[in-house]
Amino acid sequence: KAGVTQTPRYLIKTRGQQVTLSCSPISGHRSVSWYQQTPGQGLQFLFEYFSETQRNKGNFPGRFSGRQFSNSRSEMNVSTLELGDSALYLCASSTTGTGFDEQFFGPGTRLTVL
Amino acid sequence: AQSVTQLGSHVSVSEGALVLLRCNYSSSVPPYLFWYVQYPNQGLQLLLKYTSAATLVKGINGFEAEFKKSETSFHLTKPSAHMSDAAEYFCAVSFYNQGGKLIFGQGTELSVKP
Repeated sequence: KAGVTQTPRYLIKTRGQQVTLSCSPISGHRSVSWYQQTPGQGLQFLFEYFSETQRNKGNFPGRFSGRQFSNSRSEMNVSTLELGDSALYLCASSTTGTGFDEQFFGPGTRLTVL
Repeated sequence: AQSVTQLGSHVSVSEGALVLLRCNYSSSVPPYLFWYVQYPNQGLQLLLKYTSAATLVKGINGFEAEFKKSETSFHLTKPSAHMSDAAEYFCAVSFYNQGGKLIFGQGTELSVKP
C-alpha cells in the first residue's frame, strides 16, 4: 500500500504571496489532518478533515484554510504569506480519525518564505 | 488545559546503554498516548500507542512505554541503544471527542555515542 504523499516537497515563496499544498492519504483513509512544525513552536495542529468536512481546527489565523475532496485528497492554502509561516507542513491520514486511530504521516512540505 | 511535556530537549546515551525519554501529560479526561519518531527530512513514524488496554505497551524496534495514571506519565524506554536510534522523539496525546487531533510535546533529540 502506498503511503501518504505530499506535494510539492519544497517551496520557496515571498511575503504576501499565497501557497497551496497537497496531500494524498493512504487508500481507504477518510481522515486527513495537517500540522505545522517549526523549531520554536514544535508540532502544532492546524485542522482535520473527514468526509469532506472540517471536523476540528487548531488555533491559527484565517489565512490558513483547507479542504478535502471526495477521494479524500486534501489541500491546504495559506494566503498573504508571512516570514513566520516558514515551516515544515505535515499531513497525516487515518481510517476514521478517532482518537485511538494510528495516524500515518507524509514526508512533509518544506515552505520557505522570503 | 490539555498539554504534553517532554523533559529534556536533548538526551545523549552510549551505544548499548538504557534509553529513557520522559513524557508527562496534563488532562482532565482519559487520554490516548503515543510515541512517534522522526528521522531527518522525514515524516513521523508511530513507535507505540496506549489506548486503555495494558499499561505496559511494546512497540517497534525494541521500544516500550508504561502508562502511569497516578504520575500522568508515559515514559519511553529501550534497554540497549543502537546507533540507528538517533532521531527526534515526540510524545503525543489525543482524546475520544477530538477526532484525529494530536497534541504533541516539544520533542526530545536522542544522540547515540559509539
